[in-house]
Amino acid sequence: NAGVTQTPKFQVLKTGQSMTLQCAQDMNHEYMSWYRQDPGMGLRLIHYSVGAGITDQGEVPNGYNVSRSTTEDFPLRLLSAAPSQTSVYFCASSYSKRMNTEAFFGQGTRLTVV
Amino acid sequence: GENVEQHPSTLSVQEGDSAVIKCTYSDSASNYFPWYKQELGKRPQLIIDIRSNVGEKKDQRIAVTLNKTAKHFSLHITETQPEDSAVYFCAAGNAGGTSYGKLTFGQGTILTVHP
Repeated sequence: NAGVTQTPKFQVLKTGQSMTLQCAQDMNHEYMSWYRQDPGMGLRLIHYSVGAGITDQGEVPNGYNVSRSTTEDFPLRLLSAAPSQTSVYFCASSYSKRMNTEAFFGQGTRLTVV
Repeated sequence: GENVEQHPSTLSVQEGDSAVIKCTYSDSASNYFPWYKQELGKRPQLIIDIRSNVGEKKDQRIAVTLNKTAKHFSLHITETQPEDSAVYFCAAGNAGGTSYGKLTFGQGTILTVHP
């Protein structure tokens, strides 16, 4: 199993550009989520999904869109990048219908918006 | 929604000493409390977790305690080693509830173990 795979690892965007961060998992996990990590602020939830076709907003959803057309994939879209979206982004997945809800993280995407 | 506060933000200890990191949570429905370790430039990885029907759990040099009444839980690392140096995150979630899988993280503690 590859686990949770994120692409790209690094990205530089100009203000106003759009892009999609990719996330795929091969563990048949129902639950997938996106976090952003900023210094001193921990991991903040952007969007999450409890299964294919179902998504919901987390703590900091503004400026981001998600979709979940398959169990395996959960892309995060930045529609019009802003410098405030400079951060490290982590995708995570876990079982949601069992008591074991360990979250497995991808390797992260370091995004810089200039 | 859930709010998790973590203290201290930085912790410096000598090798062999113990380290304690504390977290409080606000939602009484939370019943799952994991701790993650993140080494520099790496992804967070689970090191230990505890559920609300248990007061304490140990795994070698690592232990976690939970006080549901006071809504706080703590990570204890004994006999610290330089390789324990990392950022540690606590989190709270509801395993099996309607918001299953959703975790709220604390702000993180940078632990430095000096040889």
